[in-house]
Amino acid sequence: DIQMTQSPASLSASLGETVTIQCRASEDIYSGLAWYQQKPGKSPQLLIYGASSLQDGVPSRFSGSGSGTQYSLKISSMQTEDEGVYFCQQGLKYPFTFGSGTKLEIK
Amino acid sequence: EVQLQESGPGLVKPSQSLSLTCSVTGYSITSNYWGWIRKFPGNKMEWMGYISYSGSTSYNPSLKSRISITRDTSKNQFFLQLNSVTTEDTATYYCARSLTVATPFDYWGQGVMVTVSS
Repeated sequence: DIQMTQSPASLSASLGETVTIQCRASEDIYSGLAWYQQKPGKSPQLLIYGASSLQDGVPSRFSGSGSGTQYSLKISSMQTEDEGVYFCQQGLKYPFTFGSGTKLEIK
Repeated sequence: EVQLQESGPGLVKPSQSLSLTCSVTGYSITSNYWGWIRKFPGNKMEWMGYISYSGSTSYNPSLKSRISITRDTSKNQFFLQLNSVTTEDTATYYCARSLTVATPFDYWGQGVMVTVSS
């Protein structure tokens, strides 16, 4: 299975701050990466697919980048509603695998 | 709009079978791919498997001997059965849709928490 290593495990950010979350795959996943946001008591919401494509309805402050084995999610200006847990997921090979999650809080 | 809703018992005894239903509205399960994902306490997520528009299935090899995903197209529902459960199967179970075999999950159910305990 492809292992997804996500970092950091948690972070806190001030309003308006830029936030970056990293995800590293154990092998090249050729941009087959998605990012999800999950708020407490809610189901995951797809933010980014194909490493850098923004899902419909997702605010433009979210962006994804990367290639090969290294990927990142950036929130350009932290808002209160961005609090939650963020997961990466590789979609290149079955079984699909997820990162361990990053808990993002307002400072 | 596509909506998914999981249902099933919240408590299952060890060695028994876990059975969940995902009811889909706003979209036919004879299109696209329909999967089950679970989230363990502590945030670890695991893709369990899917059933396709044609009824073909794919399972996580870690579960292959215990899992079955089936469907009832007349009710627009698909089902998860996980046999011989242990306390390690305690998790929140989600059903979700993906447009193709290689795309991520764009619609999710709200999840159902299942505890395995005697």
